[in-house]
Amino acid sequence: KAGVTQTPRYLIKTRGQQVTLSCSPISGHRSVSWYQQTPGQGLQFLFEYFSETQRNKGNFPGRFSGRQFSNSRSEMNVSTLELGDSALYLCASSNLAGDLGTQYFGPGTRLTVL
Amino acid sequence: QKEVEQNSGPLSVPEGAIASLNCTYSDRVSQSFFWYRQYSGKSPELIMSIYSNGDKEDGRFTAQLNKASQYVSLLIRDSQPSDSATYLCAVNDRKKTNAGKSTFGDGTTLTVKP
Repeated sequence: KAGVTQTPRYLIKTRGQQVTLSCSPISGHRSVSWYQQTPGQGLQFLFEYFSETQRNKGNFPGRFSGRQFSNSRSEMNVSTLELGDSALYLCASSNLAGDLGTQYFGPGTRLTVL
Repeated sequence: QKEVEQNSGPLSVPEGAIASLNCTYSDRVSQSFFWYRQYSGKSPELIMSIYSNGDKEDGRFTAQLNKASQYVSLLIRDSQPSDSATYLCAVNDRKKTNAGKSTFGDGTTLTVKP
């Protein structure tokens, strides 16, 4: 089975711009989660989508949003970028059968905000 | 107090030694526990999951869980230089509605010296 894929792998944006990141989960996985990883804050949960609905949300401002499509692919959007949004954005997919909570990560998108 | 705390590290062990990584968690509803390995510049990779008190062994890796003490550890036997990475502890309440929402520790960086 192909793993979780994320595009693009690298992005450079300037403050005030917006960005859209994409994630394709492992085939058959319907839960897609997004995390932000920074050296200072570690890995922080952004949100989770399941069956096209946001099911859980972390403690991030409304500038961070997402959606999920009927094929389980997910996109994450960050509007009005700030310098502090520079991070590695990780997508993880889960199979809700079997070992609940097990997540498989994609390679990440490295976002740099200048 | 952070929800998931790990040895501050960095941890350095000689090749062939046992590396011991520790993690404590604060939320007693946590039921699923995971260890991820993250190489520099890469995304987290699942190594072990554990759900019941006691030990779980997989090759050179042993996860230990003590729910009463809210403690989970990872032992790496016969450590190899290729084990040099940051190890992330993650917890989840194992409910279907939260399967995609895990809380991560900040990680412990392990260096195995040849």
